[in-house]
Amino acid sequence: EPEVTQTPSHQVTQMGQEVILRCVPISNHLYFYWYRQILGQKVEFLVSFYNNEISEKSEIFDDQFSVERPDGSNFTLKIRSTKLEDSAMYFCASSEGAGGVNSPLHFGNGTRLTVT
Amino acid sequence: KNEVEQSPQNLTAQEGEFITINCSYSVGISALHWLQQHPGGGIVSLFMLSSGKKKHGRLIATINIQEKHSSLHITASHPRDSAVYICAVPPNFGNEKLTFGTGTRLTIIP
Repeated sequence: EPEVTQTPSHQVTQMGQEVILRCVPISNHLYFYWYRQILGQKVEFLVSFYNNEISEKSEIFDDQFSVERPDGSNFTLKIRSTKLEDSAMYFCASSEGAGGVNSPLHFGNGTRLTVT
Repeated sequence: KNEVEQSPQNLTAQEGEFITINCSYSVGISALHWLQQHPGGGIVSLFMLSSGKKKHGRLIATINIQEKHSSLHITASHPRDSAVYICAVPPNFGNEKLTFGTGTRLTIIP
């Protein structure tokens, strides 16, 4: 069964550094998402992406965050200048149709980001 | 904003028991999602439902749109069912982003 893959599985970085989290969504999916989960807390929506542009973003997704689909297969999340509070598990997801309403989401296994 | 509440927060049961996890939400929606988070952190989508009932193996999900309530049932529970079960809803009709509940941590004892 096709799956969403995320790399790396664990990333450690120093405060102030830039990080790029990478995702390869399922190939025929059109909608892409980033969610994050701070340890011990709920999963939170960050951003949705469709037709090569952001379709929705949360208050968390400020100017330090950006997303890109640089080619036909990858979907990346960049954090420009990491803060301690960015430490979390970041999940990429994709869906065939609009994920909240028309299609189930398929999640990757996550990237655990640790900012020191 | 859609408020999502799950109960119970933690549930420990013996192998073979029938399990029920509940989810309530505050704003009318077009579909509700049940997800399973493994101990390693990975998330798997179990069900997306907008009305009635869905069944997959030993898992059954029901939803009552009028009462804004959904339940996830596990029949003949097994230790491998031990995980966190999460309910997620969009904020309103037609919106993509999901609001997640806090999850129910299920532990099945052999």
